[in-house]
Amino acid sequence: DTGVSQNPRHKITKRGQNVTFRCDPISEHNRLYWYRQTLGQGPEFLTYFQNEAQLEKSRLLSDRFSAERPKGSFSTLEIQRTEQGDSAMYLCASSRGSGGHQPQHFGDGTRLSIL
Amino acid sequence: AQSVTQPDIHITVSEGASLELRCNYSYGATPYLFWYVQSPGQGLQLLLKYFSGDTLVQGIKGFEAEFKRSQSSFNLRKPSVHWSDAAEYFCAVGGLTGGGNKLTFGTGTQLKVEL
Repeated sequence: DTGVSQNPRHKITKRGQNVTFRCDPISEHNRLYWYRQTLGQGPEFLTYFQNEAQLEKSRLLSDRFSAERPKGSFSTLEIQRTEQGDSAMYLCASSRGSGGHQPQHFGDGTRLSIL
Repeated sequence: AQSVTQPDIHITVSEGASLELRCNYSYGATPYLFWYVQSPGQGLQLLLKYFSGDTLVQGIKGFEAEFKRSQSSFNLRKPSVHWSDAAEYFCAVGGLTGGGNKLTFGTGTQLKVEL
C-alpha cells in the first residue's frame, strides 16, 4: 500500500484565517480518523469516519472545526477563524473496518503554526 | 473513561543495553493495546498490538511487549537497543465507540541512545 498521505505538511497562517487540510487514506481502508498533537503530548482524538459517515466527534472539535469525507475516500479538516491555540500537528489515520483490533496507520501529519 | 499513563518522560540508555518502557492503562473491558514510535516531524509507526491470545507479543524492529491484566500494564521491551531507536514512543489503548476504535494515547516517552 502507498500509506496515508497528508497535505500540506506545513501551514503557517495568521490568526483569524481559515485553513483546510487534506488526508488521503490507504485505498482499501474504510475508517478514517483525525487526531491533534501538541508539543510534548500524545495525539488526541478529534473525529472519525466510517466510509462517508462521520460517526463521532470529540469535545475538542469546536464549532470552528469541520471535517468531511465525501464519497468515503479522502477527507478534509477545516478550521475557521484560527486561534493561537490551534497551533498543533494534525494527524490523520486510517484502518480497515470490522473490529477495534484493526491497527490505525498514520500519515506524517500537517503542522499548523498560527502567527 | 479510558486512559494511559507513561510514567517516564525521558529515558537514556547506552547502545546495546536493554530497554523497558512502561505503560499502564485504564479501561473497563478487555483493551486493545498498541505501541507506536514517532521520529521528529513524522507520523506514528505501529510497533506492535495486543487484543487477545498470547500475552507476549512480538513487533517490528526487535520490540516485544507483555500484557499483564493484573497490573494493567503493557510494557515495551527490547533486548539490545540500536542508536536508530532514538525516538518518542507512545502507548495507546483502543476502545470501541460508534463502531470505531478511538485511540487514547499516553504522553509519550522520549528515548535517547548514547553511543
